[in-house]
Amino acid sequence: NAGVTQTPKFQVLKTGQSMTLQCAQDMNHNSMYWYRQDPGMGLRLIYYSASEGTTDKGEVPNGYNVSRLNKREFSLRLESAAPSQTSVYFCASTGAIGSPLHFGNGTRLTVT
Amino acid sequence: RKEVEQDPGPFNVPEGATVAFNCTYSNSASQSFFWYRQDCRKEPKLLMSVYSSGNEDGRFTAQLNRASQYISLLIRDSKLSDSATYLCVAPGGYNKLIFGAGTRLAVHP
Repeated sequence: NAGVTQTPKFQVLKTGQSMTLQCAQDMNHNSMYWYRQDPGMGLRLIYYSASEGTTDKGEVPNGYNVSRLNKREFSLRLESAAPSQTSVYFCASTGAIGSPLHFGNGTRLTVT
Repeated sequence: RKEVEQDPGPFNVPEGATVAFNCTYSNSASQSFFWYRQDCRKEPKLLMSVYSSGNEDGRFTAQLNRASQYISLLIRDSKLSDSATYLCVAPGGYNKLIFGAGTRLAVHP
């Protein structure tokens, strides 16, 4: 089972460039999430989608946009990358309310 | 106040020790909580779910105290392989899951 798949695994951007991080899950989960993790810190919620067709801001949404393309896919877009967005990005999904998160392997993004 | 707060650590303990971590949460309506383990900034792995007063799985025990709004994780007979960062997760709203900053554990021989 693939579970949660994130692409790309690594990316280097120059300041001002844009890119989209892709995430797909094959577990028929309703909810999907994007987190970022900086060195020495826990995961901070960027955006989440409680169900297909809805998206909501998390703790650190500034500088990001998301699209819940369908039930399987939830993408994260950086319109104009900044060095402060250098981080590891994790996508996760969960089924019923109250059930645990399943994570992708992460995308390591560096903005120079 | 942060929605989810943890002991920052690091906790340095010898093999065989018992160690406990605490995590406080602010959303009193929260019903389900989780402890995850994370190694070297890889993706977090689910360690335990906590839905009622507590849960036990081998050397690991998680407890929930709703009155004081905290969950705890107890690790007995620590192994070298337990060295990792332990993250607690609590709901911050409707299906909005918030992580604590993590507690680092180092088990030494």
